[in-house]
Amino acid sequence: DIVMTQSPDSLAVSLGERATINCKSSPSVLSSSNNKNFLAWYQHKPGQPPKLLIYWASTRESGVPERFSGSGSGTDFTLTINSLQAEDVAVYYCQQYYSSPYTFGQGTTLEIK
Amino acid sequence: QMQLVESGGGVVQPGRSLRLSCAASGFAFSSYGMHWVRQAPGKGLEWVAVISNDGSNIYYADSVKGRFTISRDNSKNTLFLQMNSLRDEDTAVYYCAKDSPTWLHLIDYWGQGTLVTVSS
Repeated sequence: DIVMTQSPDSLAVSLGERATINCKSSPSVLSSSNNKNFLAWYQHKPGQPPKLLIYWASTRESGVPERFSGSGSGTDFTLTINSLQAEDVAVYYCQQYYSSPYTFGQGTTLEIK
Repeated sequence: QMQLVESGGGVVQPGRSLRLSCAASGFAFSSYGMHWVRQAPGKGLEWVAVISNDGSNIYYADSVKGRFTISRDNSKNTLFLQMNSLRDEDTAVYYCAKDSPTWLHLIDYWGQGTLVTVSS
């Protein structure tokens, strides 16, 4: 199974500042057939279902604000939230969709400082 | 607009069975793979199972393999999860979720979830 590990488990960032969440996969989720990383990021707010933010490691889902961006390749990935807004408070998960079982990271809780 | 509405959750004793349903609307259900994902109280997301659009391909998490069965009825736009031999650790909110176009195994839309509590 592919193991997904996020860091940190939680972080507090001031409004308007940048938040950075990391995700490591073991092994790699980079496909040699299409040179794409099978890595997604989700935002999960209390009382709501999760929401897809990023797929292919760096492609923003339609309607997702530009302040959300994804980067990385192979085994190391980053979700960056620029100019943090109050509505960004949530738990963020990475997930690999490279091979079954389609494992999630343990989640990172983002709060306002 | 797209909707996924789960039902069938509740309180069940260990060792018993429960069947979850997910009614889909607002999209061509029969064209998409579908997933179940769960979240235990205070824990993170755990992927449970996926089924292809025609039911010909199915995968399970090891934690539920042999006890849970995912299925679908495309004529009724409904996804199911039959859960047998339930354990305390199966207590969770169960989400029905839609796969992306072209069967990538990428979840692009989620239902609101239904709570399953396994307790004596």
